Amino acid sequence: QKEVEQNSGPLSVPEGAIASLNCTYSDRGSQSFFWYRQYSGKSPELIMSIYSNGDKEDGRFTAQLNKASQYVSLLIRDSQPSDSATYLCAVTLDSGAGSYQLTFGKGTKLSVIP
Amino acid sequence: DAGVTQSPTHLIKTRGQHVTLRCSPISGHKSVSWYQQVLGQGPQFIFQYYEKEERGRGNFPDRFSARQFPNYSSELNVNALLLGDSALYLCASSLLGGNQPQHFGDGTRLSIL
Repeated sequence: QKEVEQNSGPLSVPEGAIASLNCTYSDRGSQSFFWYRQYSGKSPELIMSIYSNGDKEDGRFTAQLNKASQYVSLLIRDSQPSDSATYLCAVTLDSGAGSYQLTFGKGTKLSVIP
Repeated sequence: DAGVTQSPTHLIKTRGQHVTLRCSPISGHKSVSWYQQVLGQGPQFIFQYYEKEERGRGNFPDRFSARQFPNYSSELNVNALLLGDSALYLCASSLLGGNQPQHFGDGTRLSIL
């Protein structure tokens, strides 16, 4: 069973602080990694994608990937109350014959306290 | 440009009925995937289609089926509805399928009475 694990939280950080969200995955063959943000009652919104080891920065967001440790993280700098949401980690695995399955973790609920 | 559009937004059905959910991908996207999300869980993969062909199927019973049309829109069908089918059904599209980023529609909230 291929799994993606996240701490369900809630993770509370003060406004302006750095929020650190973590994710581990079980299948070493995983090829692409995504972070989605989901506000309550809404659908997931793609915020970051990362495919190779290292860091990828986009505005206040930095995704970090370590394939050897099977670990991917998301850092949110200068956290704002509007960042309060559930953050979903998702991993794609090639299941063969051109089939790619996107597997999600259960999500980490982030609360940014003003 | 329009994003992924899904219809209907909400749906109420009773046990044993069937339902059809519809999805139009982002213009130019050729792959559509379907997910089921229950409260407190991440989306769970149901199907992926690319160029009208099924490219992947998740661990769902045969009551679930889908297809993709020549204009790349898609529909998800669920027969013999059970109470446990109550969930948010999400459609996502990507340019070429594979391991490319997927963009989600607003979803269809299905309630089974």
